[in-house]
Parts: sequence; C-alpha cells; structure tokens
Amino acid sequence: AQTVTQSQPEMSVQEAETVTLSCTYDTSENNYYLFWYKQPPSRQMILVIRQEAYKQQNATENRFSVNFQKAAKSFSLKISDSQLGDTAMYFCAFMDSMYSGGGADGLTFGKGTHLIIQP
Amino acid sequence: DAGVIQSPRHEVTEMGQEVTLRCKPISGHNSLFWYRQTMMRGLELLIYFNNNVPIDDSGMPEDRFSAKMPNASFSTLKIQPSEPRDSAVYFCASSFGLAGPPEEETQYFGPGTRLLVL
Repeated sequence: AQTVTQSQPEMSVQEAETVTLSCTYDTSENNYYLFWYKQPPSRQMILVIRQEAYKQQNATENRFSVNFQKAAKSFSLKISDSQLGDTAMYFCAFMDSMYSGGGADGLTFGKGTHLIIQP
Repeated sequence: DAGVIQSPRHEVTEMGQEVTLRCKPISGHNSLFWYRQTMMRGLELLIYFNNNVPIDDSGMPEDRFSAKMPNASFSTLKIQPSEPRDSAVYFCASSFGLAGPPEEETQYFGPGTRLLVL
C-alpha cells in the first residue's frame, strides 16, 4: 500500500513571498502520478498541478511548480509570488497509473498543509 | 462543460435515519470515486466504479454504507442507519478511467456534501 506524508501541518508567509510545501511518499510502483490539490474554505477540491513519474522534467503551472525527486520519493510544491487567494489546505496525493495494469485507481492523500498568506 | 455535480450540498439528519447522497459524473467519464473527509482520518477512498461496476469497496466502513451506479451518469451513496460518527464531507470524483494521456487519468472532484448526523 502506498503512503503519503506531509510533515508541515501549517505554514504562514507574507504576501508576495515564495513558499515550499513538502511531501514524501512510499511506493513500490514505477508508473504513477503525483498531484497537489488545493482546498479553500469553500471545501472544493481543486487540482493545482500534476506530475507523471516517468517524466524527469518538473511540472509547472504559472506560479506553481514542483520539485520531483523520484529516487528520494519526494514531491514538493513551490508557490511563487504568493497571493491572499492562495490561503487554503493543500493536499499531496498519489495514484497508480493505469499503465501499471488494471483499471482506474483511487487517490491516496496526505494529511494536508494549511497555508496562510498574510497581507 | 459542467463539472461533477453532487446533491445535496448540505444534509442534517438525526441518528438512525437513512441518508442518500447523489453524484453525477462529468459526461464521458467512465470511472467514479467516492471519498470521505474527516478531521480524524483525512481524505479516504470509500469505493470506486469502472463502467458502472464496483471495483474496490474495501474502504467502505461497514455494512451500513452502500453505493450504486445504475448508469453512467448517476451514482448514490447510502447510509442506513446513520450515526453521528458518519458526520463528514463526502466527495464524488470522476475520470475517463482509461490508460491514456495524463489528463484522462486525472480525477476531478465535485463540491462535496457536508453531512451532519445529530
């Protein structure tokens, strides 16, 4: 079974600063995906960024980027030029790729990091 | 395009009552997932379907929980009888469920149903 660990329950930074959220995972699979989901106070789960394990290049989406270290099983999220609207819970999640065999699979989530952006 | 639709958004009920949560996946998606979020246990997978067939229900907490997917555009999660410890946010998510481009394996979530059992 896969496990996902987020060691920072809460972080607080000033607006416009850069912040990095940590995530480590454990798996014996070779083909998989890693995700960061954002959950604002509305409770909606919003996909922030996705990383395919077979890709060496780190994924980026505007102000969001990841540092994917496959050998170390580490997957951190960097938010640049943080904004007040970035205040939310952030969840790291793991999913086996269907290329591993079988059909779709569920997500395994970490416990989350509560990020607060201070004005 | 409409995203995943869940109803009701909020449900307050009394212990012992039957509760039915509903989900409409994104059109064309073949896989549907039910998750539960609580403070104690975080986000956990309850059950998922591929092509309307339940694949893995090992996350369903006990026999009081049941889920169905009678067709490709509708699923229900039922709790009977409900208990206060069932209070949580229940999410439905869907994906294309095919081994293909990453965007087809990515799950997209509905807004959730916040359940309170008194």
